[in-house]
Amino acid sequence: DAMVIQNPRYQVTQFGKPVTLSCSQTLNHNVMYWYQQKSSQAPKLLFHYYDKDFNNEADTPDNFQSRRPNTSFCFLDIRSPGLGDAAMYLCATSRGRTSHNEQFFGPGTRLTVL
Amino acid sequence: EDQVTQSPEALRLQEGESSSLNCSYTVSGLRGLFWYRQDPGKGPEFLFTLYSAGEEKEKERLKATLTKKESFLHITAPKPEDSATYLCAVQAYGDVTSYDKVIFGPGTSLSVIP
Repeated sequence: DAMVIQNPRYQVTQFGKPVTLSCSQTLNHNVMYWYQQKSSQAPKLLFHYYDKDFNNEADTPDNFQSRRPNTSFCFLDIRSPGLGDAAMYLCATSRGRTSHNEQFFGPGTRLTVL
Repeated sequence: EDQVTQSPEALRLQEGESSSLNCSYTVSGLRGLFWYRQDPGKGPEFLFTLYSAGEEKEKERLKATLTKKESFLHITAPKPEDSATYLCAVQAYGDVTSYDKVIFGPGTSLSVIP
């Protein structure tokens, strides 16, 4: 089945220790998104790639970076995690950004910062 | 400012007790409205897309409707397995200098009691 896969499902890191979360997709979608979701809150968009074109949200902290080396993979790098970065990180894909914008989500990575 | 709200925040139903969830939106131009289901600790699962006022979509016990200002997710004779958080998201037209925005609501947490 075509899907969005995230690894790891759970990540524990220490305050200030860099961490990388990964996402892969078999849907061959053009757009890949990274969201941060805290408990009982709406997903908050951090950035997205339309093909190789990177689009950062205005309020995404510089501490968050992303890479998309090819169509299938996308990475979220948190350079110096703080306690406030503990959250669920969701990767999503969509075929398009205007039409066909239904987003398909991975299972998420739960990040704990000690 | 573009905004999406959902009500109620939480809803508790007896099995078989039908009800509706509301998603109200204020956007400059609506391209589409999406409904997602999210189980605890998992990523959102796509349910429906609605594009224009008057449109309806159905899937099993769920029916989504759309007006110019709001959408309803009607749940008919719910079962305990329908318990989840239901998120709506609105895709707003971008202008000539920006791409479309997708704005998520905070969700309605539904509990169906046997």
